[in-house]
Amino acid sequence: KAGVTQTPRYLIKTRGQQVTLSCSPISGHRSVSWYQQTPGQGLQFLFEYFSETQRNKGNFPGRFSGRQFSNSRSEMNVSTLELGDSALYLCASSFLQGVDTGELFFGEGSRLTVL
Amino acid sequence: EDKVVQSPLSLVVHEGDTVTLNCSYEVTNFRSLLWYKQEKKAPTFLFMLTSSGIEKKSGRLSSILDKKELFSILNITATQTGDSAIYLCAVVGGSARQLTFGSGTQLTVLP
Repeated sequence: KAGVTQTPRYLIKTRGQQVTLSCSPISGHRSVSWYQQTPGQGLQFLFEYFSETQRNKGNFPGRFSGRQFSNSRSEMNVSTLELGDSALYLCASSFLQGVDTGELFFGEGSRLTVL
Repeated sequence: EDKVVQSPLSLVVHEGDTVTLNCSYEVTNFRSLLWYKQEKKAPTFLFMLTSSGIEKKSGRLSSILDKKELFSILNITATQTGDSAIYLCAVVGGSARQLTFGSGTQLTVLP
């Protein structure tokens, strides 16, 4: 069974640009959530999608957005990049909405560097 | 604001030692506490704890939750170099039932 796949794995952007990251969940999983991981802040929740609808959102500015497609694949977009957006962006999938089942399956992340 | 605090931030031990990692939390509408191991990139699930006083065990790893005192510990006995990783604690709670992560404990096991 294939795991959670994130693309691209690494990317470098400059300030002011925008970026789109992609996440393909485990087959059959309908929930996709996104996290930002930085050395100073740890893992921070961005948002969660379930059945193409955003269900939960963390405390991030509107420059961070996402969507989910009918096949459960999800994309997140960051516009007007800032230096502080440099981070590892992790996607996690689960069968049910939220984390009531406990077990999230994480992808290996997309490492974004903003210069 | 929901908060999860892990201690210590980092720990260096030798193979065969036993370690205890701590996680305390302040979360509204607590639902569960999760432990993850992050070796390189992708965190992998270890335990989910919902009830106080019930130990979860998997091989040399075990964890217990104290809902009265709002903390959990993760024990690793007879540590091996392969246990070197960041151990993340996360709590499910709040009105949005979202995960709040601690900053993690970096464990290094020396041969």
